[in-house]
Amino acid sequence: EAGVTQFPSHSVIEKGQTVTLRCDPISGHDNLYWYRRVMGKEIKFLLHFVKESKQDESGMPNNRFLAERTGGTYSTLKVQPAELEDSGVYFCASSQDLGDAYNEQFFGPGTRLTVL
Amino acid sequence: SQQGEEDPQALSIQEGENATMNCSYKTSINNLQWYRQNSGRGLVHLILIRSNEREKHSGRLRVTLDTSKKSSSLLITASRAADTASYFCALTDSWGKLQFGAGTQVVVTP
Repeated sequence: EAGVTQFPSHSVIEKGQTVTLRCDPISGHDNLYWYRRVMGKEIKFLLHFVKESKQDESGMPNNRFLAERTGGTYSTLKVQPAELEDSGVYFCASSQDLGDAYNEQFFGPGTRLTVL
Repeated sequence: SQQGEEDPQALSIQEGENATMNCSYKTSINNLQWYRQNSGRGLVHLILIRSNEREKHSGRLRVTLDTSKKSSSLLITASRAADTASYFCALTDSWGKLQFGAGTQVVVTP
């Protein structure tokens, strides 16, 4: 069974440009999470989807970030316009909905975003 | 906020030695999890320990939890070069959202 996949693995863009990151969760996982790790800092939660609905987007830094999960399958995270401080590694994770919030989250390999 | 803080920030050991890292937190918890990240790869779940558990084992990994001290430790026994990675503790909220510490960078040299 395929794990969580993310695309692209690396992205280098200039300040002011737009970048869209994609996450394909494990098939059948209703929960999808986005996290990011900015250089040298801790991994921080961005948002959580349950199927196609945003359950919690309290970690989204500002309105330059837009996440979608149309149809409840894959998700995209768009940064527009990108700023220097957006550089970091963006992780996606998914988990089953078994009625227990403490289900194991399976992480993708991450997308390394560099904004110049 | 529910966030763990790891200690030490970095650890360098030789193959065969044990590695111990600690995680402290400030709020009450339902469970605490440990993750590993190898360079260039995603996070891998290692162990989940619940608040009513004191110790848990998985292969060469041993996790302890002391809720009175609000701390947890991860012990890797007989370390291998492949154990070189960043290790994170994470707390979970009621919706499964993970709150990570800054991590401990472990380097195991042959």
